Amino acid sequence: GAVVSQHPSWVICKSGTSVKIECRSLDFQATTMFWYRQFPKQSLMLMATSNEGSKATYEQGVEKDKFLINHASLTLSTLTVTSAHPEDSSFYICSARENPGELFFGEGSRLTVL
Amino acid sequence: SQKIEQNSEALNIQEGKTATLTCNYTNYSPAYLQWYRQDPGRGPVFLLLIRENEKEKRKERLKVTFDTTLKQSLFHITASQPADSATYLCAPTGGGFKTIFGAGTRLFVKA
Repeated sequence: GAVVSQHPSWVICKSGTSVKIECRSLDFQATTMFWYRQFPKQSLMLMATSNEGSKATYEQGVEKDKFLINHASLTLSTLTVTSAHPEDSSFYICSARENPGELFFGEGSRLTVL
Repeated sequence: SQKIEQNSEALNIQEGKTATLTCNYTNYSPAYLQWYRQDPGRGPVFLLLIRENEKEKRKERLKVTFDTTLKQSLFHITASQPADSATYLCAPTGGGFKTIFGAGTRLFVKA
């Protein structure tokens, strides 16, 4: 099946710094990628839909200036958490679909902000 | 607003029995519905997809039903094994192919 790679798998940073997370579709081209956030014992919450070559579409309540999404190519989307604070600590997961149907997920990136 | 409810936070069953997980949705008309498995600290893994015009779908020991009138999907694991212990997520997908996830049901299969 299709593979989505996410990097880094975990990152620890100081409050106020920015962190970039990469999401790559390894064996297919993804016009659209999705970014989710998951807090402990909670479900995945869709943050934004990343569209190749255009601006991302953010869900209500998600600050677009804080969570910068770039989808520069058909195989790469990045999420940058700017000026991170401890409350941004979470599990961030990207996903993509090859065809209308199932989503393929990356392994997730665990962010801890000190 | 759109709402997805999965029957319980946790389900405990004995090995060999059939596990049945429930997903109900409101204010939503998904074109299809998916089920995923998630292990702790990992991303979800796709299991099955069922379209709105399908009543039932099977894959090995897994079976999914989809009732658009009741706005409900049932997910069954037959002959359950301890390795089936995980969190199972229901995910209806609607317009724009945006996928929303339920809170999940944690399944524990005892040997």
